[in-house]
Amino acid sequence: DTEVTQTPKHLVMGMTNKKSLKCEQHMGHRAMYWYKQKAKKPPELMFVYSYEKLSINESVPSRFSPECPNSSLLNLHLHALQPEDSALYLCASSATGTGRYEQYFGPGTRLTVT
Amino acid sequence: QQPVQSPQAVILREGEDAVINCSSSKALYSVHWYRQKHGEAPVFLMILLKGGEQKGHEKISASFNEKKQQSSLYLTASQLSYSGTYFCGTGSNYKLTFGKGTLLTVNP
Repeated sequence: DTEVTQTPKHLVMGMTNKKSLKCEQHMGHRAMYWYKQKAKKPPELMFVYSYEKLSINESVPSRFSPECPNSSLLNLHLHALQPEDSALYLCASSATGTGRYEQYFGPGTRLTVT
Repeated sequence: QQPVQSPQAVILREGEDAVINCSSSKALYSVHWYRQKHGEAPVFLMILLKGGEQKGHEKISASFNEKKQQSSLYLTASQLSYSGTYFCGTGSNYKLTFGKGTLLTVNP
């Protein structure tokens, strides 16, 4: 099973709302990632968790708060977002310790901030 | 630092070949290639590691020139299903930086 699932598929939220994006993988991967992708742009790395610990934070604003409750789950908590945060949010996972780190992406959550 | 991809876009007829290039100003340890179709997630195609390891996918192959800090993706006898945006990603360990992408359109 090489599937990464994400929920919800679409999310519309106001600037004062709090919402969460969820990601799940059952490939036994111990690295999980959050990316942000704007239209016609490449994915931009936001966070990386390795063995359930935050290992990379690409200077992401604190209105985005990641959480890794266990090795299969990754959440992204959203609060007081801005309209410019509207984008496709992609989750990915990869193996660790192999030197390869090929990433498998979920279908994404399309977020609109109004 | 973001790798540079060329060309930005290419249009092919089914059965034609294409080459997409990816270059970096920094030393490369690995190069990843992904394809993203419109409205879908990026899909891993292959990874090239320093030292020459290479993995092929269907009629798609790639090369990695460590000295020139370049990688090229070769699509042979293209099929309609090859249409999409191709991204190269460079970096080390978990941190990948993607190029701006190459939009490949294959027409019948």
